Amino acid sequence: GAVVSQHPSRVICKSGTSVKIECRSLDFQATTMFWYRQFPKQSLMLMATSNEGSKATYEQGVEKDKFLINHASLTLSTLTVTSAHPEDSSFYICSARTPGLAYEQYFGPGTRLTVT
Amino acid sequence: KQEVTQIPAALSVPEGENLVLNCSFTDSAIYNLQWFRQDPGKGLTSLLLIQSSQREQTSGRLNASLDKSSGRSTLYIAASQPGDSATYLCAVLKNAGNMLTFGGGTRLMVKP
Repeated sequence: GAVVSQHPSRVICKSGTSVKIECRSLDFQATTMFWYRQFPKQSLMLMATSNEGSKATYEQGVEKDKFLINHASLTLSTLTVTSAHPEDSSFYICSARTPGLAYEQYFGPGTRLTVT
Repeated sequence: KQEVTQIPAALSVPEGENLVLNCSFTDSAIYNLQWFRQDPGKGLTSLLLIQSSQREQTSGRLNASLDKSSGRSTLYIAASQPGDSATYLCAVLKNAGNMLTFGGGTRLMVKP
């Protein structure tokens, strides 16, 4: 199946700093990528939909100035958490949708962010 | 608004048992349905995708069925193994341009 990678897998940062998370589709071109957040023992919460070459579409309640998303190429999307706070600590997962009519989504391994 | 429910929320079975995980959705107008597996602290692994025109999909010991009219899907796991222990999530796609709606997941524990 298609492979999606994320980097870093874990990151610890101090309050007030910014952190960038990369999501790459390794063997296919993804015109659309998604960013999710997951709290312990809960399901995934969609944060935003990222389309290559255009601005991301954010879900209600997600601050677009805090969670900056850039989908600069067909294989790379980045999520930057700006001015991080401890409450931003979470598990962030990206996914990429395969081209064609199947619209199957493949997920990255996730990034554990801890803000101290 | 589409709502996806998974029952049971948690399940513990002895090794070797066949088991069924349930997923129900409120809006039957879906494009496809995916079953995923998530291990603790990891991302999601796609197990099976069923298009709206299909009734079932099989992969190894896994079989997923879809009854769109009743808003239900089941994931059947044959001859369960301890390595099957994980959280299983189902997700539906309403239409081609939309995003997935996830169920709450079923945490499966297969005991040796």
